[in-house]
Amino acid sequence: NAGVTQTPKFRVLKTGQSMTLLCAQDMNHEYMYWYRQDPGMGLRLIHYSVGEGTTAKGEVPDGYNVSRLKKQNFLLGLESAAPSQTSVYFCASSTGGYSNQPQHFGDGTRLSIL
Amino acid sequence: DQQVKQNSPSLSVQEGRISILNCDYTNSMFDYFLWYKKYPAEGPTFLISISSIKDKNEDGRFTVFLNKSAKHLSLHIVPSQPGDSAVYFCAASGEGVNAGNNRKLIWGLGTSLAVNP
Repeated sequence: NAGVTQTPKFRVLKTGQSMTLLCAQDMNHEYMYWYRQDPGMGLRLIHYSVGEGTTAKGEVPDGYNVSRLKKQNFLLGLESAAPSQTSVYFCASSTGGYSNQPQHFGDGTRLSIL
Repeated sequence: DQQVKQNSPSLSVQEGRISILNCDYTNSMFDYFLWYKKYPAEGPTFLISISSIKDKNEDGRFTVFLNKSAKHLSLHIVPSQPGDSAVYFCAASGEGVNAGNNRKLIWGLGTSLAVNP
């Protein structure tokens, strides 16, 4: 069982380039999330979605856009990558909208912006 | 301003002994707490949770204790096994601690546990 799958696992970009990170889940979860993990900081929520066709801002949304055209997919876009966006990105999904519903995570995308 | 603090970056214990991982929080509105476990190159995996209406929750070798007056929770692993070696994250949520209209999780920085054979 795949659970939450993130593509790609690694990527190196130059400043100003754009790219899209893909997250796919096969658990029929309504809620999906994008986090970033940086040294010395806990996981921080970038954007999230409460269902197909919806998106909402998290704690650190600037510089990112998201789309949830299909229930199983949640895309994170960087329109013009900056070195400050070098991070490990995690996608997660959950059944319910409250944080007491355990979130299921993908294995992460390690992104470096030069 | 860390609302969820895991003050021990690392912990080392012998196989078979008890591992105790600690987590302190500052926001009195937190009413639900979760522990996640993370292996290198993998995403966090949910381990165990506790609601603020309880002071203990147990699941096999894992027990979480909550002391609301001290704003402190701990995860006990008994007995510890080498496969438990991982980074453990404490996370909390509460009424009014939101991203938009929905609750969000506030994460600690993690404690790296090494269980030695």
